[in-house]
Amino acid sequence: EDQVTQSPEALRLQEGESSSLNCSYTVSGLRGLFWYRQDPGKGPEFLFTLYSAGEEKEKERLKATLTKKESFLHITAPKPEDSATYLCAVQRNQGGKLIFGQGTELSVKP
Amino acid sequence: DSGVTQTPKHLITATGQRVTLRCSPRSGDLSVYWYQQSLDQGLQFLIQYYNGEERAKGNILERFSAQQFPDLHSELNLSSLELGDSALYFCASSVVGDSYGSYNEQFFGPGTRLTVL
Repeated sequence: EDQVTQSPEALRLQEGESSSLNCSYTVSGLRGLFWYRQDPGKGPEFLFTLYSAGEEKEKERLKATLTKKESFLHITAPKPEDSATYLCAVQRNQGGKLIFGQGTELSVKP
Repeated sequence: DSGVTQTPKHLITATGQRVTLRCSPRSGDLSVYWYQQSLDQGLQFLIQYYNGEERAKGNILERFSAQQFPDLHSELNLSSLELGDSALYFCASSVVGDSYGSYNEQFFGPGTRLTVL
């Protein structure tokens, strides 16, 4: 059965304190792994797609990496505006639906 | 702004009632997906339409149905509503949505918050 597990469930950081979020996955035939950011009461905002092990993508203070079993979202020198829930999702080779993890709620204090 | 629009933003109704949620995909996107987000279940896939045809179904209840119209907008119909149907309902769209295309990123709308009393 396809499964996505994110850790930690919640993460509190001080402004400037870098850290990483983890997404472990089990899927039959990975088409792609997706990272989204979701603010309370809003729709998920697309961040990255990773397609193959070893791939890395960056956007401002965020960097996503992919291995055969997990993905990491590194946050460098975070700011309070980076506070949100970060969601990881996988898509099988057949495409279509995204299978989401439960998310990591990130709080960055000034 | 993702370019995906959903109406209404909020919906409050009573048990046993029927409601319709509407979604307009991004310009040029042919695939529409519906997801339900609740506190205990997280984001769960309900159903996908591609260019007017049903493409895939998730754990969608028989009380729920959807369709995609020729202009590509989609509607999700929820009937015989129960308290447990209270949730955020999101629509997402992508250019193609299957393994034959590279453009599989799904862009989400702002959601409809459904409250069943």
